[in-house]
Amino acid sequence: DVKVTQSSRYLVKRTGEKVFLECVQDMDHENMFWYRQDPGLGLRLIYFSYDVKMKEKGDIPEGYSVSREKKERFSLILESASTNQTSMYLCASSFGGQGAAYGYTFGSGTRLTVV
Amino acid sequence: EDQVTQSPEALRLQEGESSSLNCSYTVSGLRGLFWYRQDPGKGPEFLFTLYSAGEEKEKERLKATLTKKESFLHITAPKPEDSATYLCAVRGNTGKLIFGQGTTLQVKP
Repeated sequence: DVKVTQSSRYLVKRTGEKVFLECVQDMDHENMFWYRQDPGLGLRLIYFSYDVKMKEKGDIPEGYSVSREKKERFSLILESASTNQTSMYLCASSFGGQGAAYGYTFGSGTRLTVV
Repeated sequence: EDQVTQSPEALRLQEGESSSLNCSYTVSGLRGLFWYRQDPGKGPEFLFTLYSAGEEKEKERLKATLTKKESFLHITAPKPEDSATYLCAVRGNTGKLIFGQGTTLQVKP
């Protein structure tokens, strides 16, 4: 089975802290994604990557950055955490490049609370 | 702009009462339509991919169908363990997966 592992299930951070969310997949997928999920707003794409060292902005990149130094690992960084970044963060991966039609495999999510 | 709309937002069924969930979409160059199941506090779990109008996929009590404008997830004789949020998503020429808001299904015994 494809596995997408997110390093933490629950995190509590203080406003202004720099926060790292880690995601690792074990199926040699080219594509990796970060979403946040909020009640009433659904899943919103933050950043994605089609290859190592590649990154592209999604729909809501403000306040976030990403790093993909290795194919299997995609990190989401909150440069200075704010309370409006309290959310469920979901990492996903898939085969193929930009034109591929593969579905995504999701991790279990990280519930981040910023206080 | 690619868009996905799911209805209803919430659905309550009695065990054994069959029904359908709707996913309407507009997309430039459909590359795939995807159904996911999400349990509370967990990540979405892949159910089906549909690629072209007329295609159908089945898994246990679930059957997904696709037309040029919408997809249906039919649930036959549901059980309480089918209770979850069902998400629909499309992937078009942009390469991005665009999700609907989801339908939260509750099946009562």
